Amino acid sequence: QKEVEQDPGPLSVPEGAIVSLNCTYSNSAFQYFMWYRQYSRKGPELLMYTYSSGNKEDGRFTAQVDKSSKYISLFIRDSQPSDSATYLCADQAGGTSYGKLTFGQGTILTVHP
Amino acid sequence: NAGVMQNPRHLVRRRGQEARLRCSPMKGHSHVYWYRQLPEEGLKFMVYLQKENIIDESGMPKERFSAEFPKEGPSILRIQQVVRGDSAAYFCASSPPPAMSYGYTFGSGTRLTVV
Repeated sequence: QKEVEQDPGPLSVPEGAIVSLNCTYSNSAFQYFMWYRQYSRKGPELLMYTYSSGNKEDGRFTAQVDKSSKYISLFIRDSQPSDSATYLCADQAGGTSYGKLTFGQGTILTVHP
Repeated sequence: NAGVMQNPRHLVRRRGQEARLRCSPMKGHSHVYWYRQLPEEGLKFMVYLQKENIIDESGMPKERFSAEFPKEGPSILRIQQVVRGDSAAYFCASSPPPAMSYGYTFGSGTRLTVV
């Protein structure tokens, strides 16, 4: 079993739709959770960072963490064609594993006009 | 303020040659991380370095791969005697000391093709 599971999609939605992206994780040591966006042929770009259960909002993006069920989500409101990219969830353990991120496979999202 | 700089952007090597990938972290960042992204797969951790020190190399293949981050100059990921399976995108990231960091900043990657 992979430590971080993410449905690769692809996911195609119309402009203006609400997008829900999800990951599950199995390692109870994970304490910090991130979402990255990666455009084609580019490096990943950090979107959201959270370390506690609950919601964190930043503009059109909301990250949600449920540590009890080991489930993390990213919601995108009013999706735009410019949101078309691969979205990667990433988890980080504390302690001596602090520097290492474990990524999901990534979900390919297309927002069509 | 320049971001994380990786070069070359594209690198073609014949089987058996050596590949050297370079990474200059963001200004003020003293921690460097290397990840590999194979086609249809997510990013896989390879190694975490501070200046002159390897902190975690649990993701590095046991043979042919090495990494360094010298006191002066960029971090180098070195792959000796490359094979076709080494073809991938290699990403470098940097951060301030982990106690202060909130995620990484990634470079644009080096795409290695082994022919």
